[in-house]
Amino acid sequence: AQSVTQLGSHVSVSEGALVLLRCNYSSSVPPYLFWYVQYPNQGLQLLLKYTTGATLVKGINGFEAEFKKSETSFHLTKPSAHMSDAAEYFCAVSPTGGGNKLTFGTGTQLKVEL
Amino acid sequence: DAGITQSPRYKITETGRQVTLMCHQTWSHSYMFWYRQDLGHGLRLIYYSAAADITDKGEVPDGYVVSRSKTENFPLTLESATRSQTSVYFCASGRQETNTEAFFGQGTRLTVV
Repeated sequence: AQSVTQLGSHVSVSEGALVLLRCNYSSSVPPYLFWYVQYPNQGLQLLLKYTTGATLVKGINGFEAEFKKSETSFHLTKPSAHMSDAAEYFCAVSPTGGGNKLTFGTGTQLKVEL
Repeated sequence: DAGITQSPRYKITETGRQVTLMCHQTWSHSYMFWYRQDLGHGLRLIYYSAAADITDKGEVPDGYVVSRSKTENFPLTLESATRSQTSVYFCASGRQETNTEAFFGQGTRLTVV
């Protein structure tokens, strides 16, 4: 069975500072990996995904994530936080064997302060 | 407009009542999913469907029923609502290819009183 752990349910950064949201997964084989963002009272929007190929993936709004198989991690980063980045972020995995079922982490609420 | 829509957006119902949440997608995606979102749990899969007339249980299926007679619709029914089913429910759809993401609706906030 797959599982996802997001360290830190709440993260607070200053505007302009580095954003780092942590995600570790547990899976018998490397899964497909996703980061979603949720703004208040809205559905989830895909930020980026890793399936195969380059382990550093770039997404929307300046976010990127690096797949590290040896660390079973897929941390999300952004060099410079903006007020509009304040939202909840979810890491998710799906099996490469098919089914497209996403297993989500518990989410990290990002707060951006002036 | 193309996309995935859920209705209603907000619903209050009483314990023991049957309630159906609707989901409609216009992309002809093969897969459709129902998740519930609760504080501290993230999103948990209730049921999913790989195609019309094919459904399967997810992580938390108890108390829910689904059907998929048409590719574009995937209603979720709570047969006898309980307070523990108070949650935000998200419908999602996705293509058949395994390396693709799911696309989410806006959610339905259900309160069972």
